[in-house]
This record gives sequence, structure tokens and C-alpha cells, in this order.
Amino acid sequence: DTAVSQTPKYLVTQMGNDKSIKCEQNLGHDTMYWYKQDSKKFLKIMFSYNNKELIINETVPNRFSPKSPDKAHLNLHINSLELGDSAVYFCASSWGANTGELFFGEGSRLTVL
Amino acid sequence: GQNIDQPTEMTATEGAIVQINCTYQTSGFNGLFWYQQHAGEAPTFLSYNVLDGLEEKGRFSSFLSRSKGYSYLLLKELQMKDSASYLCAVRGSYNTDKLIFGTGTRLQVFP
Repeated sequence: DTAVSQTPKYLVTQMGNDKSIKCEQNLGHDTMYWYKQDSKKFLKIMFSYNNKELIINETVPNRFSPKSPDKAHLNLHINSLELGDSAVYFCASSWGANTGELFFGEGSRLTVL
Repeated sequence: GQNIDQPTEMTATEGAIVQINCTYQTSGFNGLFWYQQHAGEAPTFLSYNVLDGLEEKGRFSSFLSRSKGYSYLLLKELQMKDSASYLCAVRGSYNTDKLIFGTGTRLQVFP
């Protein structure tokens, strides 16, 4: 059973389109995250939710909108995609603040043409 | 500002020992983490240090010196499957799981 699962794994789309990535975790964790890993492999946090409440919102364009319908799901919607949005987006979860051990999904590779 | 530095690439031979260094300058500190990431895969947790000293976990050990802003990951008895990127990450403050990652060190193990 996959602990943190994301879909789709690959996404190729045109500039200007809107796309969503879904994430689900079956670990019973309270906290979920979105991280972006660029072409230089730099992993940077975007958002964090604790029990459906937004707790971390880094300096991310408001074209990116996370949504957490329940604590097991955290989706990421991106409007008006730009070339610079091409990256691998990782969903992760943890037991909560101050644990440090993140469980990552397999990543969703987004390519914007 | 937040700055975490690691060497970009390292190579080593199967069976050898390798040390991957990480230096950090962050506005706060509440723990240092090491993650392993194989190419095309998700990062996986390796170790955690919050106090000075060495934490040993099988073939892997991690060391922390808070006064020097320095950590290293030591890998012993290297195996081919240890070829991966190793990411150093710092948690800047208490009661958050916001991890600031370095750019990672790509380790290649040769036979």
C-alpha cells in the first residue's frame, strides 16, 4: 500500500493552461505539504496544512492554490501555467509540527511548453 | 537569511567510507535532517540531530556541531545502491515542520 500517493505522475501542458495535482496519504498524519524541486534539484517548501488548516504559505504566486478537503488529502491547483512552473512537485506528510520526518510521495513532474 | 551549503558531487568506491559535509546559516535552529533521494524517486528520511554529537544508525551516522553550524553524514561500507543524492535540511524554529533544504550532494559509488 502506497503511503503518500500523488496523481498524475507526469503532466505535460501548454502555457496558460490550468492544472491540478492530487495527493492522498493513508498514514493518519495530521500535516501535509507541497514542495517544489526545480531542475537544479533544489527542494523548496510551498505550503503546509495541519488538519485542513493552512499553516505555512511561502512566497508563492497566487496562481498556486492548495486545497485540503480533509486531513488525508491535499491538492494543488495551478492557474495560468508559466514555463518557470516546470518542476517536480512533491507532496509530503508528517505526524505534525516538530517531528521532522517527512514522508514524501513519488512526485509529479510538470512540464510546461 | 537562510543558507545551507553542501558539495555538489562526490565519488567513492564500493566498500569505502565517505563523509558528506553540510554547513548552515539560518535565522533559527531546531534540528538538522538528512534525506536520501535516488534519481527519479522521492526523498526518504535518514537521520535527525538536534543536540551536538554523533547519531549512529547502522552503516549511516550523522554528526552535528551547533556552535559551528556544521553537520556531516558518514556512510560506511559503501554499496552500489548508496549512489543517490543526499539532502541536508534544517528546521529553523520550534513547532513547525518547515524544513529548509540544501541543494543536495550527488554521490556516485563505483565498483
